[in-house]
Amino acid sequence: GQQVMQIPQYQHVQEGEDFTTYCNSSTTLSNIQWYKQRPGGHPVFLIQLVKSGEVKKQKRLTFQFGEAKKNSSLHITATQTTDVGTYFCAGGGSYNTDKLIFGTGTRLQVFP
Amino acid sequence: DAGVIQSPRHEVTEMGQEVTLRCKPISGHNSLFWYRQTMMRGLELLIYFNNNVPIDDSGMPEDRFSAKMPNASFSTLKIQPSEPRDSAVYFCASSLLAGGRGYEQYFGPGTRLTVT
Repeated sequence: GQQVMQIPQYQHVQEGEDFTTYCNSSTTLSNIQWYKQRPGGHPVFLIQLVKSGEVKKQKRLTFQFGEAKKNSSLHITATQTTDVGTYFCAGGGSYNTDKLIFGTGTRLQVFP
Repeated sequence: DAGVIQSPRHEVTEMGQEVTLRCKPISGHNSLFWYRQTMMRGLELLIYFNNNVPIDDSGMPEDRFSAKMPNASFSTLKIQPSEPRDSAVYFCASSLLAGGRGYEQYFGPGTRLTVT
């Protein structure tokens, strides 16, 4: 079946350092979404990418969708303690469905 | 909008008991998802409804699990009988499927289930 893997599993950074998480799918995706889950919370939608090679930015966050639509990345510039949480990518497999396969997640810890 | 509503927020039960989790999706959304989250297995999709019809239940662990969506504003996930390995956080999420395109999913706060 379709699998979505993320690396790294954990990342500890000093506040102000950059952070990147990578997402890889075993199959071509129709779209990729990113979610953030704070400790003790629920996943919250960040962004959706649909086009091959698409790049989107949200303040210090940069999201990329690979040319082959099988991988994606999230880069955070100059991390802050408010960035702490687990970041999930989620892949949409086909047209006319909103079912997502969630990645394994990357847990980010930021030390002040 | 109140967002996705789940109840109860916490449930502690003994092995063998029946557990029913409830979810009210966001009004106007036509897709509903039940997920289970554990440290070991991450976030797993259990079942997915569209327009109140189960579309994909391949993630339901076994016959002890069942889910229903009698109308557009309510869904239940039932575990009978419950086992300690069912202990997890169960999330309900809803979204809109329109024009062949799926949009973002909105998650409820989750139900933390502990089976002793």
